Amino acid sequence: QSALTQPPSASGSPGQSVTISCTGTSSDVGGYNHVSWYQQHPGKAPKFMIYEVNKRPSGVPDRFSGSKSGNTASLTVSGLQAEDEADYYCSSFGGRDNWVFGGGTKLTVL
Amino acid sequence: QVQLVESGGGVVQPGGALRLSCAASGFNFNRNNMHWVRQVPGKGLEWLAIIGWDATTKHYGESVKGRFIISRDNSKNTLDLYMNTLRTEDTAVYYCVKDLDWGFEYWGQGTQVTVSS
Repeated sequence: QSALTQPPSASGSPGQSVTISCTGTSSDVGGYNHVSWYQQHPGKAPKFMIYEVNKRPSGVPDRFSGSKSGNTASLTVSGLQAEDEADYYCSSFGGRDNWVFGGGTKLTVL
Repeated sequence: QVQLVESGGGVVQPGGALRLSCAASGFNFNRNNMHWVRQVPGKGLEWLAIIGWDATTKHYGESVKGRFIISRDNSKNTLDLYMNTLRTEDTAVYYCVKDLDWGFEYWGQGTQVTVSS
């Protein structure tokens, strides 16, 4: 069982917005702003999409945004495009010098 | 551009050992913390270990603590993972990852480790 809880699947039509949640505890997501998100296409390595809750690395479209409330972080993808179909993982610093991941969410663009 | 190239994966028997290496280029390796993360094919990601930029700080995930050792050579821009007492559940793709602000910024292509008799 993963340390952070994500829904196994999410979906939306092109142009719509979809939000993926990532629930942890006060020891990880709720205790630090060190939450990050990753996109992974089949057969590829994960790609860094969001860090420090809501910062976007250079090159990541502003359609991707992050937020956090209490022990739950969220990734929102606006203006869905076909290429956004992928697996998405959240991660958080868990204190005590360890990191934890969510189980992943498969995003389907209908 | 940043490149991380893992090597050393393969098939090993339970109880055996393996050394993974990662060659880094395109950034100031000696100024960055580095991680190892693994993924069982079709499953999720698992953080394994971090090493500080100067190699004085090392931390491990519970599932590998006492069995795996992370190390680095800043003169050669390489990161290693020494894996001992391997178990079937260690079968996974292993990634070398550059840290940025407690996140996993750049990933290698991964190397497959299979533990099987």
